[in-house]
Amino acid sequence: KAGVTQTPRYLIKTRGQQVTLSCSPISGHRSVSWYQQTPGQGLQFLFEYFSETQRNKGNFPGRFSGRQFSNSRSEMNVSTLELGDSALYLCASSLGANQETQYFGPGTRLLVL
Amino acid sequence: GDSVTQMEGPVTLSEEAFLTINCTYTATGYPSLFWYVQYPGEGLQLLLKATKADDKGSNKGFEATYRKETTSFHLEKGSVQVSDSAVYFCALTYLNAGNMLTFGGGTRLMVKP
Repeated sequence: KAGVTQTPRYLIKTRGQQVTLSCSPISGHRSVSWYQQTPGQGLQFLFEYFSETQRNKGNFPGRFSGRQFSNSRSEMNVSTLELGDSALYLCASSLGANQETQYFGPGTRLLVL
Repeated sequence: GDSVTQMEGPVTLSEEAFLTINCTYTATGYPSLFWYVQYPGEGLQLLLKATKADDKGSNKGFEATYRKETTSFHLEKGSVQVSDSAVYFCALTYLNAGNMLTFGGGTRLMVKP
C-alpha cells in the first residue's frame, strides 16, 4: 500500500505570497492532520480533518487554513506568507477517528524569502 | 494543557551501548503514548506505541513502558547501532482529541562506530 504523499517536496516563496500544499493519505484513511516543524518551536499541530470536517485546530493565525476532499486528500493554504512560516510541513493520515496511529508523509519544505 | 517533556540532546553513544531517552508527560485523562523516529531528510515513522497503563511497546529492539504512576514513557534499547542515529520524538494523544498529537521537543541520538 502506498504511503502518505506530499507535494511539492520543496517550495520557495517570497513574503506576502500565498502557498498551497497537498497531501494524499494512505488509501482508506479518513483522517488527515497537518503539523509544522521548525528548529525553534519543534513539532506543532496545525489542524485535523476527518471525513471533510475540521475537528481540531492548533494555535495558529487565520492565515493558515485547510480543507479535505471527498477522496480524503487534503490541502493546506498559507496566505500572506511571513519569514517565520519557513518550516517543514508534515501531513499524517490515520485510519479511524480517535487515538489512532498516524502515518507521516515526507513533508514539504517551505522557504520564505 | 497537555505536554510532553523529553531529555535534551544530543545523546552521543558508542555502538552497542545501552540507550535510554527519558520522556514524561502531563495530561488529563488517559492518553495513548507514542515514540516516533525521524531520520535525516525524512518524515516521522512510528517506532512503538502503548495505549494503557503498564503496556509495553516494542519494535526493532526498542522498548518503552507506559508508567501511569510516574507519568513516564522512557525509550530504551539494549545495544544501539550506527543506523539508529536519528531524532526521537515522544508524543501523546487522548480520547476526545481526535488524532491530534502533542510532541516533545525531540532528542537527537548520534551513535559512533
